Amino acid sequence: EVQMLESGGGLVQPGGSLRLSCAASGFTFSTYAMSWVRQAPGKGLEWVSGINISGGSTNYADSVKGRFTISRDNSKNTLYLQMNSLRAEDTAVYYCAKRVSGRYYYFDYWGQGTLVTVSS
Amino acid sequence: QSVLTQPPSASGTPGQRVTISCSGSSSNIGSNTVTWYQQLPGTAPKLLIYGNNQRPSGVPDRFSGSKSGTSASLAISGLQSDDEGDYYCAAWDDSLNGYVFGTGTKVTVL
Repeated sequence: EVQMLESGGGLVQPGGSLRLSCAASGFTFSTYAMSWVRQAPGKGLEWVSGINISGGSTNYADSVKGRFTISRDNSKNTLYLQMNSLRAEDTAVYYCAKRVSGRYYYFDYWGQGTLVTVSS
Repeated sequence: QSVLTQPPSASGTPGQRVTISCSGSSSNIGSNTVTWYQQLPGTAPKLLIYGNNQRPSGVPDRFSGSKSGTSASLAISGLQSDDEGDYYCAAWDDSLNGYVFGTGTKVTVL
């Protein structure tokens, strides 16, 4: 059974940093691209960042470019999101999502999410 | 700011058919496939339709998707109370070099 468990969320002050983790199991993690998607309270979904299977190629939404860094450790089956210079508008539930293999871009499995609150 | 536009709400009585539209542009829907996600209250999103009109195993055939040009639509036939929730379209955007979601549509069963 595919499972992804996010952790690392919490309350942080504006300008602060936080690192999210997503522990994956039930599939061969090293052979799938992954992404982070967030959802602000009461709002819609927003793609944040994606990473390829080796970690050598990444991309980011303009809203987080230069502040967030996605990475992965295939030996630990874990995806990360390093978030720096956090702003109030970064407050959201952050989901990790498994991308399907092949040329189509979509997510077939999602974690349950971890809440990040940026507030003083 | 979403680049795919959906109606904020849709509703129907049990058994009715509901359709949700998703409007994009040549850089996203016009050149890439559309995916639909279902998000039931208090839960994570779930894959509903991929490749414009393909259903993953386990998704009832009451759900169907289509695409024409720079727009797509999701149809729910035989509406059930368990279908209440939010529905999002999504596609890769070649201009933004990122994945974009629709604004979301809240489906209510009257």
